[in-house]
Amino acid sequence: DIVMTQSPDSLAVSLGERATINCKSSQSIFYSSNNKNYLAWYQQKPGQPPKLLIYWASTRESGVPDRFSGSGSGTDFTLTISSLQAEDVAIYYCQQYYSTPQSFGQGTKLEIK
Amino acid sequence: EVQLVESGGGLVQPGGSLRLSCAASGFTFSSFWMSWVRQAPGKGLERVANIRRDGSEKYYVDSVKGRFTISRDNAQNSLYLQMNSLRADDTAVYHCARVGPGSATGNWYFDLWGRGTLVTVSS
Repeated sequence: DIVMTQSPDSLAVSLGERATINCKSSQSIFYSSNNKNYLAWYQQKPGQPPKLLIYWASTRESGVPDRFSGSGSGTDFTLTISSLQAEDVAIYYCQQYYSTPQSFGQGTKLEIK
Repeated sequence: EVQLVESGGGLVQPGGSLRLSCAASGFTFSSFWMSWVRQAPGKGLERVANIRRDGSEKYYVDSVKGRFTISRDNAQNSLYLQMNSLRADDTAVYHCARVGPGSATGNWYFDLWGRGTLVTVSS
């Protein structure tokens, strides 16, 4: 099974500053046949269900603000929030869907400094 | 409004059974694979089961095989999870989730989630 490890576990960033969350897979989740990385990012605010932000490692879901971006390939990935807003306080999860069982990272809690 | 609303959770004794339901609205339910994903208190996320658009294929995480059954009724826009032989480690919020349209079999990400229903297994 593929293990997903996020860092850091928690993060405090000032409003308007950049926030960076990392996700590492225990094996490559890149398919050379279609040139895609099988990684998604989700945002979960308190009391709400997870919300899809990014899929295929860097494709932004419709309606997601462009301050959210995903990057990386192979085993190392990053979610970047370019200018933190108050409404971005949440737990962020990465998920690999390269192989079954799909697996999620443990989550990164993002707070305002 | 596009949404998923779960129901049926509650407190059940170890070895007991429970049936969860998920009502879908605002989209063509029969066009999407669907899934149940659970989140244990203070823990991460775990996909439990998936079902193909027409119900002809079903996939389960190893820990629930033989105990849980996923099903759907496209005429009623509803998804179900029958849970038998429940154990303490099944305690979690169970989310109904729609599989992303770009997914292939076995490569599932989730583009719409319900708020979930809490299942507590305890004596």
